[in-house]
Amino acid sequence: AQSVAQPEDQVNVAEGNPLTVKCTYSVSGNPYLFWYVQYPNRGLQFLLKYITGDNLVKGSYGFEAEFNKSQTSFHLKKPSALVSDSALYFCAVRDSHSGNTPLVFGKGTRLSVIA
Amino acid sequence: EAGVTQSPTHLIKTRGQQATLRCSPISGHTSVYWYQQALGLGLQFLLWYDEGEERNRGNFPPRFSGRQFPNYSSELNVNALELEDSALYLCASSNGPGLAEYEQYFGPGTRLTVT
Repeated sequence: AQSVAQPEDQVNVAEGNPLTVKCTYSVSGNPYLFWYVQYPNRGLQFLLKYITGDNLVKGSYGFEAEFNKSQTSFHLKKPSALVSDSALYFCAVRDSHSGNTPLVFGKGTRLSVIA
Repeated sequence: EAGVTQSPTHLIKTRGQQATLRCSPISGHTSVYWYQQALGLGLQFLLWYDEGEERNRGNFPPRFSGRQFPNYSSELNVNALELEDSALYLCASSNGPGLAEYEQYFGPGTRLTVT
């Protein structure tokens, strides 16, 4: 079975400071990992994904994520947070051998960037 | 290119009634996924349709059903509405049949309120 854990319900960071949103996963095979962002009353927007190759993945809006196989983690990062980054962030996983089955999502982490 | 569209934006129903939600995927996408996002519960997988067939369903009662049409648009039906069905219903689509590395693209959602 596949699962994702986002251990923090809420992350607060000051504008201009680096931010990290944590994600750990569990799959039986190799993981394909995804990050999405949701702004109020909106659907989810795709940020980035890890499939294979370089462990550091760069995505939209200056976000990046680091895949760590030994720690089964895929933390989302940004060097300098903006107030406009305040939103709900979801990590998701799919087993590489499962085909285009539905993504399994974490419960989400609410990021608040304070000016 | 148009994104995933959903209608209606908002839907208010009375307990015991039926609700019908509609989704049009991105052109060329054959897979459609439905998720329920209730307050504080993250995204719960409901149904997955691909090439007109139901491929998988989540842990929801049979009164949640749907279908996919020949043009790959989809409909979610919820019968005998209960108060706890109040949620944001998100539709997503994906390309790359059978391939796990493709991300899902989400629509803006339908907010269903049951009174």
